[in-house]
Parts: sequence; structure tokens; C-alpha cells
Amino acid sequence: DTEVTQTPKHLVMGMTNKKSLKCEQHMGHRAMYWYKQKAKKPPELMFVYSYEKLSINESVPSRFSPECPNSSLLNLHLHALQPEDSALYLCASSQGPGVPYEQYFGPGTRLTVT
Amino acid sequence: KNQVEQSPQSLIILEGKNCTLQCNYTVSPFSNLRWYKQDTGRGPVSLTIMTFSENTKSNGRYTATLDADTKQSSLHITASQLSDSASYICVVTGNTGKLIFGQGTTLQVKP
Repeated sequence: DTEVTQTPKHLVMGMTNKKSLKCEQHMGHRAMYWYKQKAKKPPELMFVYSYEKLSINESVPSRFSPECPNSSLLNLHLHALQPEDSALYLCASSQGPGVPYEQYFGPGTRLTVT
Repeated sequence: KNQVEQSPQSLIILEGKNCTLQCNYTVSPFSNLRWYKQDTGRGPVSLTIMTFSENTKSNGRYTATLDADTKQSSLHITASQLSDSASYICVVTGNTGKLIFGQGTTLQVKP
């Protein structure tokens, strides 16, 4: 299995809702990432988990809460989002953190906040 | 400041034609450079990866070049197909492992 899967593909939520995005990989990768991508812009790094511990938080608002329950799973919990948070949320994984390891991206979750 | 700049911003070509996309970077120190293809609404897929010592890498109809002295890279697409319509993103990795993305070139291949 050489892919990163993300669910759901699309999500529409109101500003008072609580929802979660899920990411899964079975490549034995020990680093996992969340990116946010607005239309016609490159992905922006949000969080990095290394060996199931949060290693990087790129000053992301607390309404986004990541969780890594085990080495194969990465969640992104969403609460009280704003319309400007609408974007494509990409998950990626790599064999390890750092330079030599290629990041493999999932297909993304298209989030719309109404 | 570590930056990656791509040109052109967008490009329209006819099916079967060749095209070349450009990437200039100021990332230092430099570890590697990747070209990704991203279909609309999908995640990026790696096409090529090159380290400092490599100056050309091919993947089917895609050929990437790297000049580490001038900090320039190009992606050449041969005999374009309709399925090549996508965004092509140049990504440079510095010594921290963080990916530095270019803004991308949007390629449209018309029949």
C-alpha cells in the first residue's frame, strides 16, 4: 500500500459545528503533516507529527486541533471555524522527518465553512 | 529570504506540443528540488527529485534539469497530452526539511 487516504473528500460545516478530518497511511511512515491550500496558492504547512508527537505547529489558530492516535492515523479536529478557513486540507506522510525523506500527499479534503 | 519563483504563471499549449516550465530559487543551503503535478482539487504527486549533484532527471515524458550554480530548474514536457493539464509546482527543501513551495504554473493542454 503506497498511498495516503483522506476522509471525507468534501465537507460543508457551519461556524458552530465540530467536525474532524481523517488521514491514514500504511507505509510505515513515522512523520505526518497537515497542509492548508487556498485556491491557486501553494500548500501551507500547518502541523508536523514526528513519531506520533507534535513537533511543529506553524502558529495555527486553536480552532484547529491535530491528533495522532497511532503511527498510521492523523486527525484534524475543527471547531468554530470561520468562512476564510474554507480550503483544501492536505495530509502528507514521509518515512521520517527531515531532509532526505519524500512527502507523499493524500487527495485532500475540500472544506467549505458557511 | 528563502523563496521559490516559477514562470510562467499559466500556459496554454496545443496537444502534442512541447513546453518548458521554469523555477528559480534562493533557498540556501539547498538539499533537493522536486517537481510536483497537482490536478485540480487533488493532492500533489511527485514527478522528479534532484539533489545538488544531479543536473537532469527524467520520468517518462517529463524531464527536469537543475543548475545549482545559478539556482535554476526547468521542467520540460514532451508531446503533451490532455491529461497533462494541471498545476506544476516546484518545491525546494532546505536543510531543515521544510518544503518551500513555488506558486505553481497552471498548464492547459487544448485539443
